Amino acid sequence: AQTVTQSQPEMSVQEAETVTLSCTYDTSESDYYLFWYKQPPSRQMILVIRQEAYKQQNATENRFSVNFQKAAKSFSLKISDSQLGDAAMYFCAYISNTGNQFYFGTGTSLTVIP
Amino acid sequence: GAVVSQHPSWVICKSGTSVKIECRSLDFQATTMFWYRQFPKQSLMLMATSNEGSKATYEQGVEKDKFLINHASLTLSTLTVTSAHPEDSSFYICSATGTGRDTGELFFGEGSRLTVL
Repeated sequence: AQTVTQSQPEMSVQEAETVTLSCTYDTSESDYYLFWYKQPPSRQMILVIRQEAYKQQNATENRFSVNFQKAAKSFSLKISDSQLGDAAMYFCAYISNTGNQFYFGTGTSLTVIP
Repeated sequence: GAVVSQHPSWVICKSGTSVKIECRSLDFQATTMFWYRQFPKQSLMLMATSNEGSKATYEQGVEKDKFLINHASLTLSTLTVTSAHPEDSSFYICSATGTGRDTGELFFGEGSRLTVL
């Protein structure tokens, strides 16, 4: 069975600094998708960034980038120039290639210190 | 991005009653919908996956007779919590993916908070 693990329940970062959130996963599939979602206090899930497993190039979205290590089954999120609005719960997620299995990690609560 | 709408956003009910939560895809055909349950400060726990026109596939430990899922159309899935009890109080979230969308393109509803008295 696929599992997604986030080993950091809480993280904090100074405003304008950089923080990295870690995520590891377990799968026997070779083709799949990985995501980072943000959940602010409103609880609406917001897609931060997406990575296709068949792509070697790390995905980047403005201040957000990932370090995807397929062999190590690692998928970390780097947030550069952290802003107060980045404070939220961050979930790493896995979806199978068929799109029928979608699993979340346990989440990391990010605090941004002014 | 596509829109998925959940209703109601908050419902309070008496113990023993049944509650229905709707999840609608407003601008695309949702071939697959997922239902999650989330406790405070915890992750989303996948309850079941439903494909349009088929019976839902429930995760281990989720009572299918307790949490009835119906995905009768390409734009609507419903979760009915039957004979609700206080321990069913939680935040329920649906998400959907579907026709014309890339695999892995998933859209979330706003969530529904259920409080059982």
